[in-house]
Amino acid sequence: GNSVTQMEGPVTLSEEAFLTINCTYTATGYPSLFWYVQYPGEGLQLLLKATKADDKGSNKGFEATYRKETTSFHLEKGSVQVSDSAVYFCALTDNYGQNFVFGPGTRLSVLP
Amino acid sequence: EAQVTQNPRYLITVTGKKLTVTCSQNMNHEYMSWYRQDPGLGLRQIYYSMNVEVTDKGDVPEGYKVSRKEKRNFPLILESPSPNQTSLYFCASRVVSIGSPLHFGNGTRLTVT
Repeated sequence: GNSVTQMEGPVTLSEEAFLTINCTYTATGYPSLFWYVQYPGEGLQLLLKATKADDKGSNKGFEATYRKETTSFHLEKGSVQVSDSAVYFCALTDNYGQNFVFGPGTRLSVLP
Repeated sequence: EAQVTQNPRYLITVTGKKLTVTCSQNMNHEYMSWYRQDPGLGLRQIYYSMNVEVTDKGDVPEGYKVSRKEKRNFPLILESPSPNQTSLYFCASRVVSIGSPLHFGNGTRLTVT
């Protein structure tokens, strides 16, 4: 079946550091890929998405590129802020856009 | 404002006392789903619904019931709650099409003593 693997957290960075959170997936066909963010006490919010190979999703300074050859969708940001402290989830849907599969989440803490 | 609304946000109850967590969406989405989030276990799907009167089990359906009588509502029912159902619960909805994202509610924190 489909699955998503994320790097283990927690990740702790200083403000203005470069961020990478790795995400790899296993899926048949051509899944759509997503990154969600969960701030403390809130639900998950869509951060960015990509629906086909080589697509780059971007939002709020975050980027991720759909790499079919490496089955990856790594999340990056050039300069993190304290307000980026949250849990980040990588996710995918199958060809038919039915069920979502989530990774376990990666907790990011950014220190001033 | 487009949103998924869950109620209540917090609920403390005792073992065996039936409860319902409500979920409503105003985006005319066909698909709705319930998840529970537990430390170290991530998000696990309980039940989902592809449309009115169509529901199906997710990964952890035991101890839960759902119904989908109207498109906008998808309540989660715990007929006889137990302490292992203490968790953070999320309702979500989406359009059924490739690439469409899930929209989440703000969550319901349930404690069963």
